[in-house]
Amino acid sequence: EVQLVESGGGLVQPGGSLRLSCAVSGLTFSDHSMAWVRQAPGKGLEWVGRIRDKANSYTTDYGASVTGRFTISRDDSTKSLYLQMTNLRADDTAVYFCVRDYFLVGAVRYFDFWGQGTLVSVSS
Amino acid sequence: DIQMTQSPSSLSASIGDRVTISCRASQSISTYLNWYQCKPGTAPKLLVYATFTLESGVPSRFSASRSGTHFTLNISSLQPEDFATYYCQQSYSLPVTFGPGTKVEIK
Repeated sequence: EVQLVESGGGLVQPGGSLRLSCAVSGLTFSDHSMAWVRQAPGKGLEWVGRIRDKANSYTTDYGASVTGRFTISRDDSTKSLYLQMTNLRADDTAVYFCVRDYFLVGAVRYFDFWGQGTLVSVSS
Repeated sequence: DIQMTQSPSSLSASIGDRVTISCRASQSISTYLNWYQCKPGTAPKLLVYATFTLESGVPSRFSASRSGTHFTLNISSLQPEDFATYYCQQSYSLPVTFGPGTKVEIK
């Protein structure tokens, strides 16, 4: 059974930092790109960014709203995904989902496994 | 960035109804379109990928189609477990973008 379990969410003040973790089991973690998707309260889904696998040099890509503030990393030895968030703002308040970014062929890729999410609240 | 729009933003339907949800891309995305189902407190679920292909385990009452930049998710006979919010998402180019969602509610 595939499991993605996020942790590290919580309440943080504006301008603060937080690091989210995602523990993955049940799939060959090292072979796949991974991503973070967030959902603000009462809002839709927003792609935060992704990290590709070793074969693709662990390259990262980010959404415009988090570029320069968030960093995605991974540890294939422990099957863990991370999201380092700095200079947090109120509009970063959201549930953050860890997802497998599955690449099939060409531009056919999709998020097929999701964690339950972890809530990040940015408020003074 | 590619903008995704959905219509309607919400709809009310009864068990057994046929439901159609529309999604439109701001430019050509070929068939690189996925659909997800979201319920409060649960992880989103992949329903359809590459425009037409149902993810394993998704009931056959779900189907999807495309006409140019207009995509459609159909539910042939709405079941109680289908009340949820549905999102389309393009994977044609970065940044990945989602539609704003369509909430399917009980009439």
